Amino acid sequence: NAGVIQTPRHKVTGKGQEATLWCEPISGHSAVFWYRQTIVQGLEFLTYFRNQAPIDDSGMPKERFSAQMPNQSHSTLKIQSTQPQDSAVYLCASSLQREGGGSAETLYFGSGTRLTVL
Amino acid sequence: GQQVQQSPASLVLQEGENAELQCNFSTSLNSMQWFYQRPEGSLVSLFYNPSGTKQSGRLTSTTVIKERRSSLHISSSQITDSGTYLCAMRAGGYKVVFGSGTRLLVSP
Repeated sequence: NAGVIQTPRHKVTGKGQEATLWCEPISGHSAVFWYRQTIVQGLEFLTYFRNQAPIDDSGMPKERFSAQMPNQSHSTLKIQSTQPQDSAVYLCASSLQREGGGSAETLYFGSGTRLTVL
Repeated sequence: GQQVQQSPASLVLQEGENAELQCNFSTSLNSMQWFYQRPEGSLVSLFYNPSGTKQSGRLTSTTVIKERRSSLHISSSQITDSGTYLCAMRAGGYKVVFGSGTRLLVSP
């Protein structure tokens, strides 16, 4: 089990360029979460998928940010027209989320993608 | 307002001392977890502990639902315990909200 895999580890973009971040959840996990971490805001929830369906995107900035999960083995977070304030570490997590909850809710995080917008 | 309040924000210990980290929640919670974030940034789950007390080695987590709080006790701290400790709660639905973390530095 390789854990949650995120690529790339680091990404540098110029202002106005597009950035696509990739996440491969742990095999068999039905839930995928995206978070953003900055020193000022800490860990902020962005969006959540369950069985590939988008369930809650209440944390996503309404413009320029989009997330997809085209199949159970990967999810993408796309930021269009990146701005310096988008610079952050973007973290993906997955969990089993079986019926009945319990420890199946434990989140397993990837190593994150550090996005720097110049 | 902030749903999850963590304290202290930072803590410096000498090796061998104990630490008590606190999380307080502004709403009733369905579940909570403790995480350790290594200095290089990776996050590791320590406990899934929605209620009661759980122990793993030198770490003990206690969650009291009625009082909307959870604590993490680290006994006999070691230099390798240095890093950031984060608590996270799920109040409803599946969104997990994190506290701002406690930065722990253990010195020789």
